[in-house]
Amino acid sequence: GAGVSQSPRYKVAKRGQDVALRCDPISGHVSLFWYQQALGQGPEFLTYFQNEAQLDKSGLPSDRFFAERPEGSVSTLKIQRTQQEDSAVYLCASSLIAGGPYEQYFGPGTRLTVT
Amino acid sequence: KQEVTQIPAALSVPEGENLVLNCSFTDSAIYNLQWFRQDPGKGLTSLLLIQSSQREQTSGRLNASLDKSSGRSTLYIAASQPGDSATYLCAVQTYGQNFVFGPGTRLSVLP
Repeated sequence: GAGVSQSPRYKVAKRGQDVALRCDPISGHVSLFWYQQALGQGPEFLTYFQNEAQLDKSGLPSDRFFAERPEGSVSTLKIQRTQQEDSAVYLCASSLIAGGPYEQYFGPGTRLTVT
Repeated sequence: KQEVTQIPAALSVPEGENLVLNCSFTDSAIYNLQWFRQDPGKGLTSLLLIQSSQREQTSGRLNASLDKSSGRSTLYIAASQPGDSATYLCAVQTYGQNFVFGPGTRLSVLP
C-alpha cells in the first residue's frame, strides 16, 4: 500500500514569501506529526494532530508557522513571510492509533530553501 | 525536557565488521524507542521499535537493546555491508506522543 507522501519534494522561496507544504498520511492513520530537520541534525517536533484536532503545537518556532488538518486526513503546514532560518527539510509522519507506543511512518520530506 | 544524544557522531569501518551505535536519553519516562535509518536526501526508514516494557528487538543483522533505567539503547549491526552506509537516528517517544530525536550517527562501511 501507499506510504506517507509529501509535496512538493523541493521548494525554493524568496525571503518574505508564503509557502504551503502538503502531507498525505497513510489512509486510516489517526495521528499525524510534523518535524523540522536542519542540515546535519536530527528532526525536531513541530506539531501533532489526532484526526482533525491539533493537540500539540508546542514545537512551532513562531506564529509564522501554521498547520491544519481540516478533515482528519491531508495536512498542510504553512509558513508565512519565510526567513532564511526556515530553510530545512520538513518531515511528516503518521501513526495508526493515537495514545500509545505505536510506530510512526515517515514521508520523504520537503526540502525548503529560502533565498 | 527530554534530551537524546548519540555516540559516535560518525563511524567508518571496513566491510564485514560488527559495530555498535549508542543512544542515551535523559528521562526514562518513555513509551518506546525507535531506531531509524536515513539515506542522503531521503526520509526516515524505521529499523526497530522497542516498547518500554521490552529489553531488545532483532531484525536480520540488526539487534537493538533498551535499558530504560539507565537511559541507554544500543544498535548492533552484524557483518556490516557497504549498503548499510547511512545516518542512523535514535528517537524516544514521550507520553506527549511526539518523538525526540538524537543528532544521528553517520556510518560509512568501506568495501
